[in-house]
Amino acid sequence: GEDVEQSLFLSVREGDSSVINCTYTDSSSTYLYWYKQEPGAGLQLLTYIFSNMDMKQDQRLTVLLNKKDKHLSLRIADTQTGDSAIYFCAGPTGGSYIPTFGRGTSLIVHP
Amino acid sequence: NAGVTQTPKFQVLKTGQSMTLQCAQDMNHNSMYWYRQDPGMGLRLIYYSASEGTTDKGEVPNGYNVSRLNKREFSLRLESAAPSQTSVYFCASSEAQGAGYGYTFGSGTRLTVV
Repeated sequence: GEDVEQSLFLSVREGDSSVINCTYTDSSSTYLYWYKQEPGAGLQLLTYIFSNMDMKQDQRLTVLLNKKDKHLSLRIADTQTGDSAIYFCAGPTGGSYIPTFGRGTSLIVHP
Repeated sequence: NAGVTQTPKFQVLKTGQSMTLQCAQDMNHNSMYWYRQDPGMGLRLIYYSASEGTTDKGEVPNGYNVSRLNKREFSLRLESAAPSQTSVYFCASSEAQGAGYGYTFGSGTRLTVV
């Protein structure tokens, strides 16, 4: 399997919560990241969590980390149309400091 | 507030032609990276430079060369372009290479090889 896996699509209604999931295989202690890519643009760092944390909250964003299951999630509260983008999870691979990116989850927010 | 600047933004090449993609950052970052993004494939690392004067291969280096010209600039060269190199290329930089340093990305170069 892939080192970092994400589902490819998620569709939600405006105002609902979105939950984007990610699983990874490497259990190295390090940081895990979420990036956002808007159409025609580069990736933008959204948030990150260190592997000794279970949760991190930043305004509408909540990151949950389950180290036992190697599962990372990004929750966006009160999702807006401006949140429509591709979201990338990035995590450790093989002890390298350079993170491996997942394939990205396309979030579609409709009225 | 330039961050990471990539040129050109768009390019069409014929098979066999060569070109250099330019990248410059103004954040005094030590580490720089080149990725390619293909539909459904996510981001794949081509080459990286942990610090000025060093370069290393990433996951998909074949067909590419890089130069870390100075601390600010990191270029990617295609010596003989092939249709398989049609992609969106992103340059990124980080303060250092290590856990906890997020990346700043450029806006990308969209390359088509015909």
